[in-house]
Amino acid sequence: EVQLVESGGGLVQPGRSLRLSCAASGFTFDDYAMHWVRQAPGKGLEWVSGISWNSGSIGYADSVKGRFTISRDNAKNSLYLQMNSLRAEDTALYYCAKGGSLDSHFDYWGQGTLVTVSS
Amino acid sequence: QSALTQPASVSGSPGQSITISCTGTSSDVGSYNLVSWYQQHPGKAPKLMIYEGSKRPSGVSNRFSGSKSGNTASLTISGLQAEDEADYYCCSYAGSSTFDWVFGGGTKLTVL
Repeated sequence: EVQLVESGGGLVQPGRSLRLSCAASGFTFDDYAMHWVRQAPGKGLEWVSGISWNSGSIGYADSVKGRFTISRDNAKNSLYLQMNSLRAEDTALYYCAKGGSLDSHFDYWGQGTLVTVSS
Repeated sequence: QSALTQPASVSGSPGQSITISCTGTSSDVGSYNLVSWYQQHPGKAPKLMIYEGSKRPSGVSNRFSGSKSGNTASLTISGLQAEDEADYYCCSYAGSSTFDWVFGGGTKLTVL
């Protein structure tokens, strides 16, 4: 059974940093791309960032480019999101999502970790 | 990376069929057969319902189907059931780089 468990969320002041983690199990982690998708309270889904199986390709939404860094450790079956210079508009539930075959979709999602940016 | 356009809400009675549209541009929906649809119940994580425009993952009811015409993708749910009441989101590859995805704003489906 595929499991994705996010952690690292919390309350942080504007301008500060936070690092999210996603522990994966139930599939061959280093065979698949991975993504972060967020959802602000009461709002829709927003793709944040994605990383290929070997970290050779990485992409970011314009809204986080230059502030967030995605990475993975295949030996630890883990995905990370380093979030710097946080803003109030980054407040959201952050989901870890597994890329499907050919990375054409997101076939499994975690339950999310809540990040609240407020002074 | 402009969001895809979905109706804010749709409704239907049990047993009926409904269709949710998802309009993008020639740079995303119109250029790639990489539209996926997700169902999200309140307080739950999204669930993949349709991928690559019209393919259903194992375990998803065949009451759910997807299609595309030009820059608009559609999700059709036939034989509506109370459990189908949820938010639905479309998503498309947006093409400017290897990783470039855009979601629709979401549609609230109410089963009357």
